[in-house]
Order: sequence, then structure tokens, then C-alpha cells
Amino acid sequence: GAGVSQSPSNKVTEKGKDVELRCDPISGHTALYWYRQRLGQGLEFLIYFQGNSAPDKSGLPSDRFSAERTGESVSTLTIQRTQQEDSAVYLCASSFDRRVEQFFGPGTRLTVL
Amino acid sequence: KQEVTQIPAALSVPEGENLVLNCSFTDSAIYNLQWFRQDPGKGLTSLLLIQSSQREQTSGRLNASLDKSSGRSTLYIAASQPGDSATYLCAATMNYGGSQGNLIFGKGTKLSVKP
Repeated sequence: GAGVSQSPSNKVTEKGKDVELRCDPISGHTALYWYRQRLGQGLEFLIYFQGNSAPDKSGLPSDRFSAERTGESVSTLTIQRTQQEDSAVYLCASSFDRRVEQFFGPGTRLTVL
Repeated sequence: KQEVTQIPAALSVPEGENLVLNCSFTDSAIYNLQWFRQDPGKGLTSLLLIQSSQREQTSGRLNASLDKSSGRSTLYIAASQPGDSATYLCAATMNYGGSQGNLIFGKGTKLSVKP
């Protein structure tokens, strides 16, 4: 079946604008994770969704970041009032359950000018 | 707080050589450890996952080992090929009761295999 997909693949925006990133997980995967990879840094965990449970937002760096997921379907990550330090590759991963093998999408490269 | 370290940051080898990539972690209370490869401009491809109760996993020319007591994992690549050139990442999932399974990553080893 299809893997994890993300859109857009690239996004260039101006400082202060809002952006929305989309992730389509593998069908049947109940767990969904967002990570970001800034230049020269390791991947950082942002947020975790599991079914209809309350998300784990412990990795979100500020209140400008938010994410939604309806059931076990698509997730969107929204960054409000973007800053230059938000420039990074944002990666989404899904898995059958928590703490099992995760499968990653190709990422969205965000550039904030 | 778990910290994952990968040394070296970059490695260049001639084609055909066997090689070992190293990963160390500070907290041994891991649930599993996963190795990935990342190609430029692409996402991560899962290579091997080792459960905390396992010592090693093998897939083709790849063999990953895990020693929880010493906080180390290695990825062995046999008979390296130019197509193996990529950045290799290791990542740990913690075994705390509240852990949701998010991966804690090292910064990776960039491997270059020269023809």
C-alpha cells in the first residue's frame, strides 16, 4: 500500500505568515508523530497522536505551533506568525501503535524568509 | 534525559569494505532502538528495529546489535556499495510508563562509499 505522504514538499514563506503542513499516514496506523529537523541538528519530536486520545504536545517549541488529527486520518501542523528559526524539514511518521516501528514521509522543507 | 550520540559524524570508505557505525545512549531504559537511513532531500527509511530484549537483528548485508548495559548499538554493513552512501540515524524509544513512543535521535553518521 501507499506510504506516508506529506504536502507540500517545499514551502517558502515570509516571516510573520501562518503555514499549514499536511500528513497522510499509512492506512490503519493509529499512531502519528511529527518531528522537525533543523540544519545541523538532530530530529526533534514535536507532537504525538494516538487514535482519539488527547495528543501529547510535550515537544511543541512554542504556542505558535499546533496540530490536529481527526480520528486515524490526516493530520495538519500549523505554525502561526512564522519566524526564521522555524525553517526546517518537518517530518511525519506513523505506526500501528505506540512504541513500534515508525514509517516516515518525505518531509516538508519550510523556509521562512 | 536520554541523549543519543553517533560517532563519527562522517565516514568515507572504499567500495567493498565492511564497516561499523556506532550509536551510544545515556539511559539504558529503552524499549527499542531503530536504525534509519536518510538520503538527501528524502525522508527516513527504516532499516532495522531491535527490541530491548534482543541482542541483534539482521537484514541482508545489515546487522544491528544492542548492548543495553553499556548503552551501545552498532550497525554493521558488509561489502559496502556506493548505493549505501547516505546518512544513517539511530533512534531510541524509551520504556518509561508515560512514554508515547516518540523517537529520540542521534545526529547521524554521513557515510560515503567510493567506487
